Amino acid sequence: DGGITQSPKYLFRKEGQNVTLSCEQNLNHDAMYWYRQDPGQGLRLIYYSQIVNDFQKGDIAEGYSVSREKKESFPLTVTSAQKNPTAFYLCASSPGILGVAEAFFGQGTRLTVV
Amino acid sequence: KNEVEQSPQNLTAQEGEFITINCSYSVGISALHWLQQHPGGGIVSLFMLSSGKKKHGRLIATINIQEKHSSLHITASHPRDSAVYICAVRVEVGGATNKLIFGTGTLLAVQP
Repeated sequence: DGGITQSPKYLFRKEGQNVTLSCEQNLNHDAMYWYRQDPGQGLRLIYYSQIVNDFQKGDIAEGYSVSREKKESFPLTVTSAQKNPTAFYLCASSPGILGVAEAFFGQGTRLTVV
Repeated sequence: KNEVEQSPQNLTAQEGEFITINCSYSVGISALHWLQQHPGGGIVSLFMLSSGKKKHGRLIATINIQEKHSSLHITASHPRDSAVYICAVRVEVGGATNKLIFGTGTLLAVQP
């Protein structure tokens, strides 16, 4: 079945280490997105990509990096520069420009930095 | 003040009750989404609205663009409806780019 797969579901890392979260989709969607969710706050956009080999910063990109080498994959790296990395991270994709069609979301990765 | 406000933040209902969740926004939008997030964290898109009303099973979503308000209704609620319901609005940020602004969600618990 088509969908978005995020892995792993839970991730623990020591402070100061970079960590990469995986997001893969087999929906043939052009656009992919990374969001961060914190308790009591709405989802906030970290990075998005509307086409392969191109991506744009969202509202809270500092301390994060992404790549889009393949249409199916949009990995997010949480770097040691991210001051408060512990959060729930959601990946999404849409056929074209977000909102024109409905977005599909992954199951999320809960990152805990100790 | 958040650009997207939802109410209530928490809602407990008895099975069978009619439920309403509200969403108000302060920005110009081109569409509004209602999303459902289950305890595991994954999000499912329920509706995308730009005007009027949509119905899917026991769920009904309405939007009033002039009043900048949308409601999500659940008829004959069931414990399996327990989840966080999130309102998100689509705004244009320039060129051909849109982004979604999310509300903080409404935590619904339906008791048997």
